[in-house]
Amino acid sequence: IVLTQTPLSSPVTLGQPASISCRSSQSLVHSNGNTYLSWLQQRPGQPPSLLIYKISTRFSGVPDRFSGSGAGTDFTLQISRVEPEDVGVYYCMQSTQFPWTFGQGTKVEIK
Amino acid sequence: QVQLVESGGGVVQPGGSLRLSCTASGFNFNTFTMHWARQAPGKGLEWVAIILNDGTSKSYGDSVEGRFTISRDNSKNTLSLQMNSLRVEDTAVYYCVKEVSGGWFMESWGLGTLVTVSS
Repeated sequence: IVLTQTPLSSPVTLGQPASISCRSSQSLVHSNGNTYLSWLQQRPGQPPSLLIYKISTRFSGVPDRFSGSGAGTDFTLQISRVEPEDVGVYYCMQSTQFPWTFGQGTKVEIK
Repeated sequence: QVQLVESGGGVVQPGGSLRLSCTASGFNFNTFTMHWARQAPGKGLEWVAIILNDGTSKSYGDSVEGRFTISRDNSKNTLSLQMNSLRVEDTAVYYCVKEVSGGWFMESWGLGTLVTVSS
């Protein structure tokens, strides 16, 4: 399964929203009815960390300015108001089917 | 809290072998599925391998199938990755990753260990 993220780079003004799209080459709905799509954040020089799983569930400690949505093959990560600590690369990832795959990554930077 | 510490990285020649280890703490290791993932310098993430909590089932990415072997020792809270027939394109930071409770998603990542394959 190929995941295509757009845009690949997103210069954003502090306090403004940002949106990242992730499109899958095939449906991510598992035979059990669940959709295994997650979003990870990788800050500069750090390992990735889980932001959102099951399309829209925020992981423990993740600020509510992050939200996920979508279904089937089209998914979106939204940051309602970008903060300085949000700078980094964001990846969508599917775990519906082996091999698990990641999108190419979207770099969020401050204008 | 969850801690995952990778070790064993280094420089190896093409065709060589290397064994990575990950020592886990802060959670019940023997109840969680574990993964290896990697990231080539300046590139994106790539899933490498998965092993169920009891070690009975494993799966691999296409690029490492037949060359890499994932294993675990639940008595020592250790995850391993045996890498054989290494190629230049295997050069990457290798991460040990724990799944969320309930499975299916990659929750906690170690800091990684760098493997460089070069002549």
